[in-house]
Amino acid sequence: DVKVTQSSRYLVKRTGEKVFLECVQDMDHENMFWYRQDPGLGLRLIYFSYDVKMKEKGDIPEGYSVSREKKERFSLILESASTNQTSMYLCASRLAGGRIYEQYFGPGTRLTVT
Amino acid sequence: DQQVKQNSPSLSVQEGRISILNCDYTNSMFDYFLWYKKYPAEGPTFLISISSIKDKNEDGRFTVFLNKSAKHLSLHIVPSQPGDSAVYFCAAGSGANSKLTFGKGITLSVRP
Repeated sequence: DVKVTQSSRYLVKRTGEKVFLECVQDMDHENMFWYRQDPGLGLRLIYFSYDVKMKEKGDIPEGYSVSREKKERFSLILESASTNQTSMYLCASRLAGGRIYEQYFGPGTRLTVT
Repeated sequence: DQQVKQNSPSLSVQEGRISILNCDYTNSMFDYFLWYKKYPAEGPTFLISISSIKDKNEDGRFTVFLNKSAKHLSLHIVPSQPGDSAVYFCAAGSGANSKLTFGKGITLSVRP
């Protein structure tokens, strides 16, 4: 079974803090993704990575950066947290060129910025 | 520009009846489609998918239908069970390594 873990289930940070969200997958997947989920807006892609040290902007990258130094780990960084970044953050991974294109998601991190 | 649309935010059905969840898309380059199910405070889990070369895919109580000419797909759940109550996301992609585009989701409630 694929397992995607996220460092925290719940996180509370103050405005202006630098925030690190960590994601680890144990299935040697090349592709990894960061999304945020907000009511009425669905899942929106922030950044994704096709492989180690590779990164691509998604649909809403502003205010975020990422790091992929090891294949199993994909980090999302909020350089200076703001209240509009309060959201549920979801990490996902996928085998490149897999038979079916589904992504496997972690349990999510509920981030509150006050 | 929303390329994957789930126009109904919610659906309520009686246990044992059929649930039909709809999804429309605008990008004709999409060549595969997926449905995810999400419970509160959990990550989405993959439910079922369909390639654009097919018009139907079935897995137990879940069937996805694809109408390419109408750019429309639907998920049928028969019979619906209370445990099916969740948010369902439709997603689409083009090419094996492409990103997925998700709809806004629909909240399904199955009444006992």
